[in-house]
Amino acid sequence: DAGVIQSPRHEVTEMGQEVTLRCKPISGHNSLFWYRQTMMRGLELLIYFNNNVPIDDSGMPEDRFSAKMPNASFSTLKIQPSEPRDSAVYFCASSLTSWNTEAFFGQGTRLTVV
Amino acid sequence: GESVGLHLPTLSVQEGDNSIINCAYSNSASDYFIWYKQESGKGPQFIIDIRSNMDKRQGQRVTVLLNKTVKHLSLQIAATQPGDSAVYFCAENGAGAGSYQLTFGKGTKLSVIP
Repeated sequence: DAGVIQSPRHEVTEMGQEVTLRCKPISGHNSLFWYRQTMMRGLELLIYFNNNVPIDDSGMPEDRFSAKMPNASFSTLKIQPSEPRDSAVYFCASSLTSWNTEAFFGQGTRLTVV
Repeated sequence: GESVGLHLPTLSVQEGDNSIINCAYSNSASDYFIWYKQESGKGPQFIIDIRSNMDKRQGQRVTVLLNKTVKHLSLQIAATQPGDSAVYFCAENGAGAGSYQLTFGKGTKLSVIP
């Protein structure tokens, strides 16, 4: 398996533009997580899906952020409109189950909003 | 809320020496712990895990120790190599309804001196 695949690896956009980050989890994993990593706040959980259903989105910072998982092999995280403070590395991770198993992380998308 | 923290933000070790990275956790209900390694430009990579019914677990060159009495976790790396240079995160997986969520510490940067 190729692991968790994220795209793009890098994204530079202007403030106010829409940004869409993509993730392909490991086949057979039923849990998917979106994390954001910054120097100040470390790794923060944004949203968690189980069997394609959003279970906990309490970490999503604002209504500008939305996430979808239309099927077991694809998820998106969208920011609209983007702001400079959204600049961070966004990670997607998947795990076999939702309880007490390790999460496998993708390479991340480095987002820069100017 | 309760959180996971690290004693030492940076650690420099001579190549060939053993490294010890420490982590304190405050959620006594946590029952699963993971150590991740993150190299520059990459996503966190699973190293080793331990469940609360154990106090020690060994992998290849790595050992994790869990002291539930003082809520302390450590990662020991034997014969540290330049390739071990990275940021190391401990993470805890709480019990019960929030058990899907990994709470990450801020990380410790390990630098190996050749």
